[in-house]
Amino acid sequence: GEDVEQSLFLSVREGDSSVINCTYTDSSSTYLYWYKQEPGAGLQLLTYIFSNMDMKQDQRLTVLLNKKDKHLSLRIADTQTGDSAIYFCAVLGTMNRDDKIIFGKGTRLHILP
Amino acid sequence: DGGITQSPKYLFRKEGQNVTLSCEQNLNHDAMYWYRQDPGQGLRLIYYSQIVNDFQKGDIAEGYSVSREKKESFPLTVTSAQKNPTAFYLCASSIPSGRAWTGELFFGEGSRLTVL
Repeated sequence: GEDVEQSLFLSVREGDSSVINCTYTDSSSTYLYWYKQEPGAGLQLLTYIFSNMDMKQDQRLTVLLNKKDKHLSLRIADTQTGDSAIYFCAVLGTMNRDDKIIFGKGTRLHILP
Repeated sequence: DGGITQSPKYLFRKEGQNVTLSCEQNLNHDAMYWYRQDPGQGLRLIYYSQIVNDFQKGDIAEGYSVSREKKESFPLTVTSAQKNPTAFYLCASSIPSGRAWTGELFFGEGSRLTVL
């Protein structure tokens, strides 16, 4: 079945850029998402990209999609202490309403002073 | 404001007891989901429902039960058959009725269940 892989931890200095990477197996994925989870809370959608796009930018966030390599990345510019959280990569195979979103295990972003 | 509400936030249970976690949404979403989150495990799907009075098992349904009697509500019961129920439980909803869908899931704030 579909699999989504991401590294479990990332440490970045405050003010630097953070890059969180994700790989997936289903080449028919239509939508790809990045969710943020702060401690003890639910997940919130940060951004998403449709499979016919290569890049999407939204303020400090840049999403890059390499469909050939099935690789998705999230870049956070000027990383702040408030960016400390777990970031989940997720993919949706098709737009069939019976299809389900598959999540990676999450990358915990730690901000160094 | 529309949203999805889970209760209780924290719950303690003795072994052998059933407990029910509440999930209510006023987003007019057709689909609702229950996920279990363990450290380093990501999210695992327990049950989901696409329509009232219908639901399907997810990847780890054993020891859990659900009902969907109303569009707004999707309670999860953790039964005594669940071998390791201590976890963080997340409810989500999706698929807005009659509107374009991007696949986005809206999550509640979660319920942390601890078995004593």
